[in-house]
Amino acid sequence: DTGVSQDPRHKITKRGQNVTFRCDPISEHNRLYWYRQTLGQGPEFLTYFQNEAQLEKSRLLSDRFSAERPKGSFSTLEIQRTEQGDSAMYLCASSSPQANTEAFFGQGTRLTVV
Amino acid sequence: KNQVEQSPQSLIILEGKNCTLQCNYTVSPFSNLRWYKQDTGRGPVSLTIMTFSENTKSNGRYTATLDADTKQSSLHITASQLSDSASYICVVSSYQAGTALIFGKGTTLSVSS
Repeated sequence: DTGVSQDPRHKITKRGQNVTFRCDPISEHNRLYWYRQTLGQGPEFLTYFQNEAQLEKSRLLSDRFSAERPKGSFSTLEIQRTEQGDSAMYLCASSSPQANTEAFFGQGTRLTVV
Repeated sequence: KNQVEQSPQSLIILEGKNCTLQCNYTVSPFSNLRWYKQDTGRGPVSLTIMTFSENTKSNGRYTATLDADTKQSSLHITASQLSDSASYICVVSSYQAGTALIFGKGTTLSVSS
């Protein structure tokens, strides 16, 4: 599979629990993005990596959220002490270093906090 | 503030008809503008990407236009099919925002038979 892969596709968790999502980008892409999308809304930017460096973080990324890309390949997004408002689709995208190139999205992880 | 506004919010058309979706943006400095199609519960899939110097770009039955002076774009869908039912999202990239993509809220298109 040469696309962006996200795991799991769906996650149901109880409020207060921690969850971790994984994203495997397209192998030659050094840029990786995380977005959050709630029902009826467009994706909202969370954070951006270039290789292993986290270069940009949105104010949406509260201190309960942490993202890593330790070896510049796959990335993880962890949410601690989940709240019901965290329920959303979490999308990962990757792109190559060249300007004006496509960003390819994964299928997303649907999180439901109950 | 960098923003992308889309209209209409939703649209219902009959199969075989054409439609046009609109996108206005206030992103500056401008790098490129993209249209994505997102099926329910799936990740967005790119339809077109246009830079400052491009006025129109086609991808099959999809034709995107860009007026960088008025900061407007449109996506025209010709001879709609049931499979065109999806959310269409306009996305603008700005160099000033790093390489983050600024998304509109999308237009939900429903094609009925």
